[in-house]
Amino acid sequence: AQSVTQPDIHITVSEGASLELRCNYSYGATPYLFWYVQSPGQGLQLLLKYFSGDTLVQGIKGFEAEFKRSQSSFNLRKPSVHWSDAAEYFCAVGRFTSGTYKYIFGTGTRLKVLA
Amino acid sequence: SQTIHQWPATLVQPVGSPLSLECTVEGTSNPNLYWYRQAAGRGLQLLFYSVGIGQISSEVPQNLSASRPQDRQFILSSKKLLLSDSGFYLCAWSVPQSEQYFGPGTRLTVT
Repeated sequence: AQSVTQPDIHITVSEGASLELRCNYSYGATPYLFWYVQSPGQGLQLLLKYFSGDTLVQGIKGFEAEFKRSQSSFNLRKPSVHWSDAAEYFCAVGRFTSGTYKYIFGTGTRLKVLA
Repeated sequence: SQTIHQWPATLVQPVGSPLSLECTVEGTSNPNLYWYRQAAGRGLQLLFYSVGIGQISSEVPQNLSASRPQDRQFILSSKKLLLSDSGFYLCAWSVPQSEQYFGPGTRLTVT
């Protein structure tokens, strides 16, 4: 069965420091991978997506992610974190079936940014 | 551009009462529509999805139902709420074979 693991429930970094959020997936075919961000009490905003091609994907707000098939990973990175990046981050795997993508979400990583 | 609306934003309902949450999408036609529930400290669970008017697929057996009476309208309902129905409900849309875009969500508290 497909699954998504985000091993870090909470991460705290200082403003200006680099960030890496981990995501591992289990999926039998070529995965479609996504990162979303959720501010408290809000919906989810798409940061970036990987369907195929270049394994390093650029997203909004200065984020990037790298797909590594050999490690079944799709880690999210940012070189310098801003206080406004404090939020919860979700990794998802999309499986195309019955005419639509069905997502499997990880349980999320909550990011705290220290001033 | 496309916009997705959900209402109400928050709702407090007693156990046993009915529920109706509404989601509408603007700026696109024939979207795929989705209902998710997010429980505290957990990820998102897909409840229902729809690829067209009147076409509803249920992902998990539960106390909820969904309907799509119009192309860009998706409704989540219950006849009698349970305490376990409390959570944050998110609606999402997509064009076929593409990523999903989420609404602002509805916080439901069943008392």
